[in-house]
Amino acid sequence: GAGVSQSPSNKVTEKGKDVELRCDPISGHTALYWYRQSLGQGLEFLIYFQGNSAPDKSGLPSDRFSAERTGGSVSTLTIQRTQQEDSAVYLCASGRAGGQTQYFGPGTRLLVL
Amino acid sequence: GESVGLHLPTLSVQEGDNSIINCAYSNSASDYFIWYKQESGKGPQFIIDIRSNMDKRQGQRVTVLLNKTVKHLSLQIAATQPGDSAVYFCAENDAGNQFYFGTGTSLTVIP
Repeated sequence: GAGVSQSPSNKVTEKGKDVELRCDPISGHTALYWYRQSLGQGLEFLIYFQGNSAPDKSGLPSDRFSAERTGGSVSTLTIQRTQQEDSAVYLCASGRAGGQTQYFGPGTRLLVL
Repeated sequence: GESVGLHLPTLSVQEGDNSIINCAYSNSASDYFIWYKQESGKGPQFIIDIRSNMDKRQGQRVTVLLNKTVKHLSLQIAATQPGDSAVYFCAENDAGNQFYFGTGTSLTVIP
């Protein structure tokens, strides 16, 4: 069956521009996570959605970062006024519920020039 | 072994040998653990998981061992193949919604 998909796979933008990253979770998965992975580093938690509950935004590094999940399925992560330090791989994962096995998408590689 | 905050450990093994990748965790409340494999340019791929009521679980060519006393987790790969070259992460969950990931271990298989 289809796994988690993310788009775009790569994004190059200029400092100060806004970007939107998209995640399509596995059908039926109610839990959705966004992570950031810098080169050679582990996964940094950003935000967690569970069904229709209020998201856990505790990992968002600044107010330039926001995310939404429409209809309990597709999610978009928005980074406003991008900075060079935002350059990283942004990974999305989904699971049947919070705390259950997470399945990852291929990631979006963001480069801010 | 790997631990959050350290630079990426590396492991090189000869093709056909067994590999052991270690992970130390600090949260004694963690009761669910997952090993992921991440190949270059790809997202992490689920390999095997284990719950705290077990100390060993086997999959195809992989075995995960859990020692709760010393809070240690290991991944054993039998007859390592070139396709096993990747970064391996452990992740822990304490019955909450979040998982906590180590920085990973880079495995290189020498043909």
